[in-house]
Amino acid sequence: QSVLTQPPSVSAAPGQKVTISCSGNSSNIENHYVSWYQQLPGTAPKRLIYDNNKRPSGIPDRFSGSKSGTSATLVITGLQTGDEADYYCGTWDSSLNAVFGGGTKLTVL
Amino acid sequence: QVQLVESGGGLVKPGGSLRLSCAASGFTFSDYFMSWIRQAPGKGLEWLSYISTSGRTKYYADSVKGRFTISRDNAKNSLFLQMNSLRAEDTAVYYCAKLPGAEPQFDYWGQGALVTVSS
Repeated sequence: QSVLTQPPSVSAAPGQKVTISCSGNSSNIENHYVSWYQQLPGTAPKRLIYDNNKRPSGIPDRFSGSKSGTSATLVITGLQTGDEADYYCGTWDSSLNAVFGGGTKLTVL
Repeated sequence: QVQLVESGGGLVKPGGSLRLSCAASGFTFSDYFMSWIRQAPGKGLEWLSYISTSGRTKYYADSVKGRFTISRDNAKNSLFLQMNSLRAEDTAVYYCAKLPGAEPQFDYWGQGALVTVSS
């Protein structure tokens, strides 16, 4: 049972937009930065978003993040088949323990 | 560029021990906190532990506290995870990861090392 709650799966057609939610509480998301990680099949996770809404260099602006209260959201626009992956949200709690969501599998139809 | 390369994974019997290593390059290793994260087959990410730059401060997830020990050798740009009293549920791919600051976010990940605990 993961500390943060994500939908198990989402899907959309190429070119469309998809939203992935991440729900937590006041001890984690509400008071700490959220990161998002992309895990392509058979590979290690890669940081996609940090500090709620910042993109590392090299990450296209099709990927965006936001946070409000105890929830965070990852939005991917202009979907491509290469975006098919598992997406994880992460943050930490008041004891400085890192916590992750259970992951969301994105299917590009 | 930042590279993290894990080694030391393999097959171990329940109750056994294993030591994972992570060789770091492409950044000043001694300036950054480091962490271990694992992923059981077909499951999500589980944070295990992280360690401060000096090695004096360590944090552990409850699931491994008392069984796993994180350490580092700044002179050799290496991170370690000593795993004792291994159980079948410890079977996973183990990733080392770099923290950009003192909070547990992770900006670079290694390719992972598979640990299988089975008789």
